[in-house]
Amino acid sequence: DAKTTQPNSMESNEEEPVHLPCNHSTISGTDYIHWYRQLPSQGPEYVIHGLTSNVNNRMASLAIAEDRKSSTLILHRATLRDAAVYYCIRGEYGGSQGNLIFGKGTKLSVKP
Amino acid sequence: DAMVIQNPRYQVTQFGKPVTLSCSQTLNHNVMYWYQQKSSQAPKLLFHYYDKDFNNEADTPDNFQSRRPNTSFCFLDIRSPGLGDAAMYLCATSRDRREKLFFGSGTQLSVL
Repeated sequence: DAKTTQPNSMESNEEEPVHLPCNHSTISGTDYIHWYRQLPSQGPEYVIHGLTSNVNNRMASLAIAEDRKSSTLILHRATLRDAAVYYCIRGEYGGSQGNLIFGKGTKLSVKP
Repeated sequence: DAMVIQNPRYQVTQFGKPVTLSCSQTLNHNVMYWYQQKSSQAPKLLFHYYDKDFNNEADTPDNFQSRRPNTSFCFLDIRSPGLGDAAMYLCATSRDRREKLFFGSGTQLSVL
């Protein structure tokens, strides 16, 4: 049970915005939503995370639904270097455990 | 400069021959994680250390063990590797459980 649901793959054109959706309908009130991406032959790389409010950083924006059951990662202008697998993850911090369980991710292809 | 360093990048072992993978960090982070990633799958958390406190995932086989002799180093020991243990092994660190993860480049393990 990955606890998040993402499309297997998406395509985008270079320099266009990309919206990567994620469903996490069973999220609890203290779980953060994390996004990581993994380029081929590399370890995952942190993109962004948030709890309730929308978040922005130099890499992306994270839009979190008001009921927190879904979120969207927004890449404002896709580049070829953004082609990667994007993972949406619930950060579960109940009790003494605190770890990130990866779901299957979305493979993003970017066309020139 | 690499902050989470995994050696070696590629490791070949024989069926049933114990193997140790190493991870070091220059970030002085409290938490160190080991993930297993098989081809075309998402990373799967094996265990993590919060300082010296070891936390095993419930479905991690007994064949996998870990040591953390000090803050900077963490080892993954596979006592009797099977063919099914061939995978990329990823080490990650975080300052605390709710903080973002920094991943190494991984060690690709082959079992002959």
